[in-house]
Amino acid sequence: QVQLVESGGGVVQPGRSLRLSCAASGFIFSNHAMHWVRQAPGKGLEWVAVISFDGSNKFYADSVKGRFTISRDDSKNTLSLQMDSLRPEDTALYYCARDNVELDYWGQGTLVTVSS
Amino acid sequence: SYELTQPLSVSVALGQTARITCGGNNIGNKNVHWYQQKPSQAPVVVIYRDSKRPSGIPERFSGSNSGNTATLTISRAQAGDEADYYCQVWDTSTAVFGGGTKLTVL
Repeated sequence: QVQLVESGGGVVQPGRSLRLSCAASGFIFSNHAMHWVRQAPGKGLEWVAVISFDGSNKFYADSVKGRFTISRDDSKNTLSLQMDSLRPEDTALYYCARDNVELDYWGQGTLVTVSS
Repeated sequence: SYELTQPLSVSVALGQTARITCGGNNIGNKNVHWYQQKPSQAPVVVIYRDSKRPSGIPERFSGSNSGNTATLTISRAQAGDEADYYCQVWDTSTAVFGGGTKLTVL
């Protein structure tokens, strides 16, 4: 069965960096684009970034453009999100999700808290 | 940037029909996906490409999309349908979510 397991969240000071990972299993990872979506406490879903199935195309929300970098390692079935220059407003639960035009599978999320 | 507008909340009596709207400029020209999110759980797609239902989603869930409004319809609403619902579309290589609608089953 399809599984997506995020890791790497934690508490970090403003301006610092954090790297999230998403371990995928149960499907052919290299066949699918992958997304990061976040949800601030008590708020709605906010799309963060997408990487194409072959890694050749990457797109970002304006709110993270220039600070976050999405990447993938198909040899390890792993999706990553490098988050630099973190801000308090980046505090959220970060989900990875598989693209099938719709986002058909989601992980359980990893919590990132940006606070001094 | 493209925006999707959803009502903050919708209430429905047990066993009745709930309709949750998602407004966007010419949204009828886009594929709309709907996600259900229960407290402390990850979102689950309940309708994709306007009106298709994933396996395991009850037939009570249906969707439509025309003009400037997409609609998620939940027939014979059950207590277990209480959740937040989000619509989503693609716009110039970015995904856009609506603000979400809290469905309360009375």
